[in-house]
Amino acid sequence: AQRVTQPEKLLSVFKGAPVELKCNYSYSGSPELFWYVQYSRQRLQLLLRHISRESIKGFTADLNKGETSFHLKKPFAQEEDSAMYYCALSGYNNNDMRFGAGTRLTVKP
Amino acid sequence: EPEVTQTPSHQVTQMGQEVILRCVPISNHLYFYWYRQILGQKVEFLVSFYNNEISEKSEIFDDQFSVERPDGSNFTLKIRSTKLEDSAMYFCASSEKTTGELFFGEGSRLTVL
Repeated sequence: AQRVTQPEKLLSVFKGAPVELKCNYSYSGSPELFWYVQYSRQRLQLLLRHISRESIKGFTADLNKGETSFHLKKPFAQEEDSAMYYCALSGYNNNDMRFGAGTRLTVKP
Repeated sequence: EPEVTQTPSHQVTQMGQEVILRCVPISNHLYFYWYRQILGQKVEFLVSFYNNEISEKSEIFDDQFSVERPDGSNFTLKIRSTKLEDSAMYFCASSEKTTGELFFGEGSRLTVL
């Protein structure tokens, strides 16, 4: 069974500070990992996925299979990054993507 | 930009009643999903649907739940005999391909009294 763990429910940083949102997973096969974001009063939307290996809005995430982690990082947080962030995992065919509990990031001015 | 739309945005019902939540996925998408989020809890997978049949379902998706694609555009979630614990936000999502990005609707909030 696949499982996603986001240990921090809340994370608060000051503007300009680095931020890291933690995600650990367990899955017996080859996982696909994603980060979804939900800004206030908006729908859940994809932020990035590990196979694309790109930086979106300054965020990056590296899949570490040894540590079974997919932490989301940004070197300099901005106030507009304040949102709910969900790590998600799916198996090869994506038919049952599972989400972590989410981390609410607050970036203070 | 095409979006997944869900109706109603909020429904209040009495315990024991049947509820149908409706979703219009993005038109060229082939894979459809329902998720739910009980207040303060995680987003939970309910079911995925492809080619007019369920492809995966979670342990939550028991006989109380059913999904249907009654026509070429709608994708519905039916909850029979609602219980208090069915109160949640229900999200519909669609994707173009099995390994693609999921596009979510804004959700339907169900309140069971």
